[in-house]
Amino acid sequence: QVQLQQWGAGLLKPSETLSLTCAVYGGSFSAYYWSWIRQPPGKGLEWLGEISHGGVTKYNPSLKSRVTISVDTSKNQFSLRLRSVTAADTAVYYCAREGSHSRFVVSWGRGTLVTVSS
Amino acid sequence: DIQMTQSPSTLSASVGDRVTITCRASQSIRPWLAWYQQKPGKAPKLLIYSASSLESGVPSRFSGSGSGTEFTLTISSLQPDDFATYCCQQYDTYPLTFGGGTKVEIE
Repeated sequence: QVQLQQWGAGLLKPSETLSLTCAVYGGSFSAYYWSWIRQPPGKGLEWLGEISHGGVTKYNPSLKSRVTISVDTSKNQFSLRLRSVTAADTAVYYCAREGSHSRFVVSWGRGTLVTVSS
Repeated sequence: DIQMTQSPSTLSASVGDRVTITCRASQSIRPWLAWYQQKPGKAPKLLIYSASSLESGVPSRFSGSGSGTEFTLTISSLQPDDFATYCCQQYDTYPLTFGGGTKVEIE
C-alpha cells in the first residue's frame, strides 16, 4: 500500500517561493505519474501539474510558468516549487499518485496548509 | 480548459435515501471521469473511475454512469458515513479539472 508523506513551509510572505516535497513509500515509484493538487479554503480542487519517474512534466497553464515539479528517483521523492506567491495561493496542497495509464488520483498525501500573508 | 459543473451544490438527505449527483463537462470527455469523496480536513478518496468502475474497497451502494458530457454518481441507500462532499474530475484532456463539489448534508 503506497503512502505519501509531504512536508514544507506552511507560512510564506508575498513574492516568496513555495516549496513542498513528497516522499513515496511502498509500491512502485516508476510505474506512475505523480502530481500536485491544491484546494483553497472552502473551494474546489485545482490540479497544478504532474511528473513521471523519468521527469516528464505537464503543468496547468493557469499558473503561468510559476510552477516547477521535479523528481528525485534515488529517494522516491518529488517536489513542487511555486514562485512569486500571493494571497491567492493560500491553500491546502496535496501530493498525489495518479493511475499508471489514466490520470485519476488513486492515492493522496495528507495535505499541507500553505498560508501566504504579509 | 474543460469546465466541470456539478449539481446540486448542496443536497439535504436522510439515512436510507437514494441520492444522485450530476456532473456535466463543457465538452466530451468520453468515459474519462472520476468521482471522489472528501470529508472535512481530509484528502479526497477515490470512489469511481472511468465513469462507472468502482474502486476496490468502495461499498457497492456507490455507482456511476454516463459518458460524453453528462455523468451521475448515485448512492443507493445513504449511510451515516456518506455525509461528505463529492466531486468529479475529468482526465480526458490536460489540464485535469475538477467539479466544484456537492455537499451531502443531513436533512
